[in-house]
Amino acid sequence: EPEVTQTPSHQVTQMGQEVILRCVPISNHLYFYWYRQILGQKVEFLVSFYNNEISEKSEIFDDQFSVERPDGSNFTLKIRSTKLEDSAMYFCASSLRLTGELFFGEGSRLTVL
Amino acid sequence: DAKTTQPTSMDCAEGRAANLPCNHSTISGNEYVYWYRQIHSQGPQYIIHGLKNNETNEMASLIITEDRKSSTLILPHATLRDTAVYYCIVVDNYGQNFVFGPGTRLSVLP
Repeated sequence: EPEVTQTPSHQVTQMGQEVILRCVPISNHLYFYWYRQILGQKVEFLVSFYNNEISEKSEIFDDQFSVERPDGSNFTLKIRSTKLEDSAMYFCASSLRLTGELFFGEGSRLTVL
Repeated sequence: DAKTTQPTSMDCAEGRAANLPCNHSTISGNEYVYWYRQIHSQGPQYIIHGLKNNETNEMASLIITEDRKSSTLILPHATLRDTAVYYCIVVDNYGQNFVFGPGTRLSVLP
């Protein structure tokens, strides 16, 4: 069964460093998303991406964040200068249709020291 | 903010049906009800969704009231592996900005 894959599964970084989290969505999907979940809290929407541009973003997704689909398969989330409060599990998701179900990856745990 | 309210937690005996309620009293005509679950810290997993009619798949059944203001997710024979946080989410035709609330923590007990 096709699945969304994410790398790395866990990354530890120093405050102020840049981090890139990678995702390979399901191959024929057209809509891509990033969510995050701080330990013990809700799953929060960050950004959605379609047709090579951001279609929607939340207040969390400030200038420190960016997304890119550098080739036909990867979808990346970059955090330019990490803060302690960026420590969280980051989930990538993709869907085939705008109203279709989202398929989530297993997440990348980011720890900022 | 999430447009749904769910109980914080529920218990269910293994092998019995788990009935998870969700209130969405402000739902509008073009909004769907989606259910997801999250086992431990894994990625959320799609379960089922519906608009007006009751729906059933290999995982669960979704019962939506006639006025669409509430729904119930039914896991017919709960197993220990169904222990998870279950999220009820209301989404319209245009927005894929799924808003997750705190969900219901279901504990299936042996």
